[in-house]
Amino acid sequence: DTEVTQTPKHLVMGMTNKKSLKCEQHMGHRAMYWYKQKAKKPPELMFVYSYEKLSINESVPSRFSPECPNSSLLNLHLHALQPEDSALYLCASSQPGLATGEQYFGPGTRLTVT
Amino acid sequence: AQSVTQPDIHITVSEGASLELRCNYSYGATPYLFWYVQSPGQGLQLLLKYFSGDTLVQGIKGFEAEFKRSQSSFNLRKPSVHWSDAAEYFCAVGRPTGTASKLTFGTGTRLQVTL
Repeated sequence: DTEVTQTPKHLVMGMTNKKSLKCEQHMGHRAMYWYKQKAKKPPELMFVYSYEKLSINESVPSRFSPECPNSSLLNLHLHALQPEDSALYLCASSQPGLATGEQYFGPGTRLTVT
Repeated sequence: AQSVTQPDIHITVSEGASLELRCNYSYGATPYLFWYVQSPGQGLQLLLKYFSGDTLVQGIKGFEAEFKRSQSSFNLRKPSVHWSDAAEYFCAVGRPTGTASKLTFGTGTRLQVTL
């Protein structure tokens, strides 16, 4: 099973709301990633978790808060977002180490901030 | 620092015609190279990867890519394009960061297929 699932598929939230994005994989991968993708642009890395520990934060604003409760789950908590945060949020996972570390992506959550 | 250049923003080919998408990379060490495809509103699907060995790599959906170190290129090819191949294609170079990996993507090439 080479599937990464993400919920919800679509999310509309106001600037004062609190919401969460969820990502799940059952491939036994121990590295998980959050990316943000604006229209007609490549994905931009936000966070990397490795063995359930945050290893990379690409200077992401604190209104985005990642969480990795276990090796299969990755959450992204959202609070007080801005309209410019509207984007496709992609989750990915990989085996640690680059030789087998190709990343598998989920279908994404389309976020609209009003 | 690593970087990836995809010179063609948009390419249009006829169904059944051959395809080549260009990718040039800059990386100080042995590159780990990937091609991903993204259909509208979808996630990225890995087409193929190159780590070492044979410089011509085969991927899914009939795609192949050739690594040319002398030209710092990793071009994607397909001998006969199908209408379902219309999508955005991203070339990426990866590097290890601790126990994870970090991908640097090119800006993408949008492929349009005419019938």
